[in-house]
Amino acid sequence: EPEVTQTPSHQVTQMGQEVILRCVPISNHLYFYWYRQILGQKVEFLVSFYNNEISEKSEIFDDQFSVERPDGSNFTLKIRSTKLEDSAMYFCASSEWGRGNQLLYEQYFGPGTRLTVT
Amino acid sequence: AQSVTQLDSHVSVSEGTPVLLRCNYSSSYSPSLFWYVQHPNKGLQLLLKYTSAATLVKGINGFEAEFKKSETSFHLTKPSAHMSDAAEYFCVVRTDNTGNQFYFGTGTSLTVIP
Repeated sequence: EPEVTQTPSHQVTQMGQEVILRCVPISNHLYFYWYRQILGQKVEFLVSFYNNEISEKSEIFDDQFSVERPDGSNFTLKIRSTKLEDSAMYFCASSEWGRGNQLLYEQYFGPGTRLTVT
Repeated sequence: AQSVTQLDSHVSVSEGTPVLLRCNYSSSYSPSLFWYVQHPNKGLQLLLKYTSAATLVKGINGFEAEFKKSETSFHLTKPSAHMSDAAEYFCVVRTDNTGNQFYFGTGTSLTVIP
């Protein structure tokens, strides 16, 4: 069964450093997402991406964050200058479609990347 | 605004007994509702979904949930718990006016006692 993969599983970085989290969505999916879960808190939406541009973003997704689909398979989340409060589990997800046909927008999640900022 | 409340942060049941995980939602529009399960070191796996078709939804591994609009609830049930059901469960809402972002509940940790 196709699945979303994420690398690395765990990333440790120093405050102020740039990090790139990588995701490979399911191959025929068109919408891509990033969510994060700070330890002990709920999973929060960050951004959705469609047709090579951001479709929606939350208040969390400020100028420190960016997303990119550099090739036909990868989807990345970049944090330019990490802060302690960026420590969290980051989940990538993809869906076959995002609007219109309700049957096709269920989101498939990857296993997550645990980011630790020290 | 939309939100999801999972009423229990932790539920403990004995193997073979019924499971009930409670979820209430708040939405100004017709919601689509989901239950996801997360096993340790695994991604979020879809258990079942409600998208305005049948109000009783059957999912994988014997789970089902009933959408009750009058109670704004979408509780997850299973007649008989299995040891492999021990995991974190998330209730999720998506409403048509918010595009395609999901709103997660805080999660319920299910423990199954042998």
